[in-house]
Parts: sequence; structure tokens; C-alpha cells
Amino acid sequence: AQSVTQPDIHITVSEGASLELRCNYSYGATPYLFWYVQSPGQGLQLLLKYFSGDTLVQGIKGFEAEFKRSQSSFNLRKPSVHWSDAAEYFCAVGPSGGYNKLIFGAGTRLAVHP
Amino acid sequence: NAGVTQTPKFQVLKTGQSMTLQCAQDMNHNSMYWYRQDPGMGLRLIYYSASEGTTDKGEVPNGYNVSRLNKREFSLRLESAAPSQTSVYFCASSDSRASSGNTIYFGEGSWLTVV
Repeated sequence: AQSVTQPDIHITVSEGASLELRCNYSYGATPYLFWYVQSPGQGLQLLLKYFSGDTLVQGIKGFEAEFKRSQSSFNLRKPSVHWSDAAEYFCAVGPSGGYNKLIFGAGTRLAVHP
Repeated sequence: NAGVTQTPKFQVLKTGQSMTLQCAQDMNHNSMYWYRQDPGMGLRLIYYSASEGTTDKGEVPNGYNVSRLNKREFSLRLESAAPSQTSVYFCASSDSRASSGNTIYFGEGSWLTVV
């Protein structure tokens, strides 16, 4: 079955520290992979996506993610976290069920200490 | 640049009441979706519409109905609300072309409480 696992429910980092959020997926073919961010009380904003080509993907707000097929992972990274990065982050994989549907992970809530 | 607009943003219902969540997108997307978000469970697909005139069930369709009114609009109806339907609801849309990479764009959410 197709699934997405985000092993860390909560992560706390200090401002300026580096960040890595983990995402593992189970998928029968070459997936499309996404990271979305949700600020409190807001909708989801696309950070970055991978669907072909270079396995290191650059996104908005200084984020990047690396697709590792051998590890079924798509981890999100940022070299230096800002207080405004505090939010919930969702990894997603698709398409699912033969069409443009995404399966989302449960999310990782990031807190940033000053 | 409106994107995906959903209304209402907040609603409190009594058990057994009905209501409709409205959604419209201005990006000329073929596909539209309704998700619900619950703590610790990520987003789960309720219904989706691959194109105008078609709708299909997602993971958690029970207790909901949808209408794809036209290419722009996709509404979600709760016929008899239950406390288990207390959630945040997100409407979304996507371009169905493969070149789009299945990117889905979300509305800002509707907070629904059923008491």
C-alpha cells in the first residue's frame, strides 16, 4: 500500500541551527514527492516538489530536499533556521489511485527557539 | 491573485444540522479536491473531481456529498453533521497535465465544529 511516514512528530531547534525533517514513503513506481508548509491558521503552501531530473531539489524560503530512491526517502533540509520557519511541515507522495491524488504524512511540527 | 477560495472560514453546527462548504478556484484547473485535517493524521482525501462533471470518493467519504458545479466550483455538503466531522476542511485544485507534476494548491481552510 502507498504510504508516507514522517517519523518525527515534533522537532525543536535553535534559531540559526540546521534542520532536517525526515520523510519515508512506500510507493510502487517512481513517485512525485512534495513538501508543504502550514503556518498556524493557514492553508498549505508548496515548498518544493520532485518529479524527475536532479534528485536535489531547491524550494522556496531556502529549503531543499533530496530524493533517495534506494532509501525511499525525501528529507527536507535548511542550513540555518529562522524563527519564522516555525510551522507544521507535511510530506506527500503521488499520484495515488491512478490520478492526481496525494497521500500525506501526519506532519512534523517545528518549533524554533530564539 | 485569489487562487483557491473557500467559505465559510469558521462554522459551528449542532449535531444533525446540514451545511455546505463552498470552494472556487480561478486557475482554470481541471481537478479539485476536498481534504480534512485532523491532529496527528495529516490530510485525508474526502472526495475529488478529476474534471468537470465527474466526482469520486477518496479515503473518508462517509457522511459527505459533493457537487462539481462547473469548472471553477466544487462544494462539499454535510447532510447530517456528527461530532466526528469536527475538523479543518481544505479545498484544493490542480492542473491535470502531467507537466504540472501533480502540484496541488490549497485554500486557507474551513474550521468546522459540530456540537
